[in-house]
Amino acid sequence: DAGITQSPRHKVTETGTPVTLRCHQTENHRYMYWYRQDPGHGLRLIHYSYGVKDTDKGEVSDGYSVSRSKTEDFLLTLESATSSQTSVYFCAINTGTGASEQYFGPGTRLTVT
Amino acid sequence: AQKVTQAQTEISVVEKEDVTLDCVYETRDTTYYLFWYKQPPSGELVFLIRRNSFDEQNEISGRYSWNFQKSTSSFNFTITASQVVDSAVYFCAPFASYNTDKLIFGTGTRLQVFP
Repeated sequence: DAGITQSPRHKVTETGTPVTLRCHQTENHRYMYWYRQDPGHGLRLIHYSYGVKDTDKGEVSDGYSVSRSKTEDFLLTLESATSSQTSVYFCAINTGTGASEQYFGPGTRLTVT
Repeated sequence: AQKVTQAQTEISVVEKEDVTLDCVYETRDTTYYLFWYKQPPSGELVFLIRRNSFDEQNEISGRYSWNFQKSTSSFNFTITASQVVDSAVYFCAPFASYNTDKLIFGTGTRLQVFP
C-alpha cells in the first residue's frame, strides 16, 4: 500500500460543468501522475508533476489542467467536461527516481452525461 | 520514441495450464526499464515487476516468470499452473524517460482462467 487515495471514487456530471479530481499521497513522493483508462487504449498519461508547482503535459492533456500546491496533493481539473472525458482516472506516484516503481491509486470512475 | 505492443488482446485457458503473455517494445535507448502490471476485475493496478536492460536473466517469483530478450525486444510473462485468481488484464509498460520517470503502457492482455 503506497498510501494513495483518490476522491471522489465515482462521479456523474453533466456536459459543460467543471470537475476536479483529487489525488492524495501520504509518503512525500516527488513524482505524481494522472492517467486515464479507456477500452482499447490501456492507460494514457494526462499530466504529471515532478514537484510542488512543477507540472507538465502528457500525451492526452487537451481539456485537462492540473495543480500541485502541496507535495501530498495533485489535482486534475476538467474545466468544461465533455462526454469524451468519460473514463476511469488513475493517479500514480513514483517511489523514487531513475525508473523506480509506480504505484497507483484506486481510480475514479467519471461519467459525463 | 518508445512503443510497446501487446498483440494478444485476450487469452483463455483452463486452470493449471501454463500461459505466456507477449510484450514487444521499441526504444532507441541503450539503457531502459520494463514493467508489468496486473489489473484484476476489481480494477486496481498492481505492480508485478521491474527489469532493467542490463539484466537479461530470467526472473522467477513463485508461479510467475519473466523472460527478457534484448535481441528480440521482448519481455514476456509466463504464469505456470494458472489459477482462477490470475484472471486479470496484464499490462506491459516500458519506461519512457529518465527525466520524467514516465511509463508508456501497452493496451493490455486480458487473461481468463476457467476452472
